[in-house]
Amino acid sequence: GAVVSQHPSRVICKSGTSVKIECRSLDFQATTMFWYRQFPKQSLMLMATSNEGSKATYEQGVEKDKFLINHASLTLSTLTVTSAHPEDSSFYICSALSGGATGELFFGEGSRLTVL
Amino acid sequence: DQQVKQNSPSLSVQEGRISILNCDYTNSMFDYFLWYKKYPAEGPTFLISISSIKDKNEDGRFTVFLNKSAKHLSLHIVPSQPGDSAVYFCAASQQTSYDKVIFGPGTSLSVIP
Repeated sequence: GAVVSQHPSRVICKSGTSVKIECRSLDFQATTMFWYRQFPKQSLMLMATSNEGSKATYEQGVEKDKFLINHASLTLSTLTVTSAHPEDSSFYICSALSGGATGELFFGEGSRLTVL
Repeated sequence: DQQVKQNSPSLSVQEGRISILNCDYTNSMFDYFLWYKKYPAEGPTFLISISSIKDKNEDGRFTVFLNKSAKHLSLHIVPSQPGDSAVYFCAASQQTSYDKVIFGPGTSLSVIP
């Protein structure tokens, strides 16, 4: 089946630094990718929709200058958390749309960000 | 306002018995529904889906039932196994307007050996 790879799976950084998380669709082209954030004991919160070759669409309340999303190719989207703070510590998950009538999403393994 | 609701945050079931996870939605425009399973510190994995033109879809031990008039769907797992212990997310989307998938809050299933 389709595979989405997310890297790194865990990252620890100092407050004020920037962290980049990559999301790759390994065996299919994804014109649309999504970035989610999961808070403890809560659902997946959609942060933004990333479309290849165009600007990402951010959900209400998500700071686009803080969470930079780039979808440079049909197989790669990146999320950069700029000037990270401890409150940005979370589990970030990407997903890619495989296309077709089913509209099935395939998820990456997630990235655990810890900001010290 | 939650468009997709899973009113039971947790559920415990004995191994071998049936697990029933429920999901309600409010947006009548949703026409495609999915269930995802998630283990701690991992991304969700797709389980089963159903289109609004059907009322039942079965895949092995997993069956999803859709009641459009009630805007309700349920996932049945039978027989339940300890490895099924995970958080289950119900999700809904519009196939003609795939700008986002709306997830429910999840139900944590524990299957007791």
